[in-house]
Amino acid sequence: DTGVSQDPRHKITKRGQNVTFRCDPISEHNRLYWYRQTLGQGPEFLTYFQNEAQLEKSRLLSDRFSAERPKGSFSTLEIQRTEQGDSAMYLCASSPKGQGNTGELFFGEGSRLTVL
Amino acid sequence: KNEVEQSPQNLTAQEGEFITINCSYSVGISALHWLQQHPGGGIVSLFMLSSGKKKHGRLIATINIQEKHSSLHITASHPRDSAVYICAVLKLQGAQKLVFGQGTRLTINP
Repeated sequence: DTGVSQDPRHKITKRGQNVTFRCDPISEHNRLYWYRQTLGQGPEFLTYFQNEAQLEKSRLLSDRFSAERPKGSFSTLEIQRTEQGDSAMYLCASSPKGQGNTGELFFGEGSRLTVL
Repeated sequence: KNEVEQSPQNLTAQEGEFITINCSYSVGISALHWLQQHPGGGIVSLFMLSSGKKKHGRLIATINIQEKHSSLHITASHPRDSAVYICAVLKLQGAQKLVFGQGTRLTINP
């Protein structure tokens, strides 16, 4: 399967624990995005990488959140000291090189986080 | 006010009906996307538009740049069309990221 893959698909954790999600984009896609989606809402932008450089972070991304893409391929999103309000679906998407301003994105299946 | 607004938020129809979902936006855009999200979370891109109209099977998407409005139509709807349909725009200014509407939950009953 050569699509965007995310791991784990589901994570249940207790408040205060740290969690890490991984995203493997489609090969050679240089742009990678993290979005968060809560029930009944559209996805909200969290952060965006072009290769290994993190180019933008949303104000939604508090200091408990950190994202990395160390070699410009896979990315991780870590949430420290989780809170119940962090419960959401975390979506990863990648975009191919050379798409210019069209913004075509390919989404993973998402990682659903439940904080008890 | 959200930059991208969809209507209706929920839509229930009978199999075979013609469906219209609307999207209005308040910013300058370079492209507009219609996406489909099934239960479980996966999002699939249906259309990417910058002008005019596109058709794929029973799905038709139109955009009016002057009016800042787009519509997604489904002809001869089927229960398997039941999903959340999301409109998203790529703003002319700012980073290369999509701004999403809240989605329209469509249920087609047999």
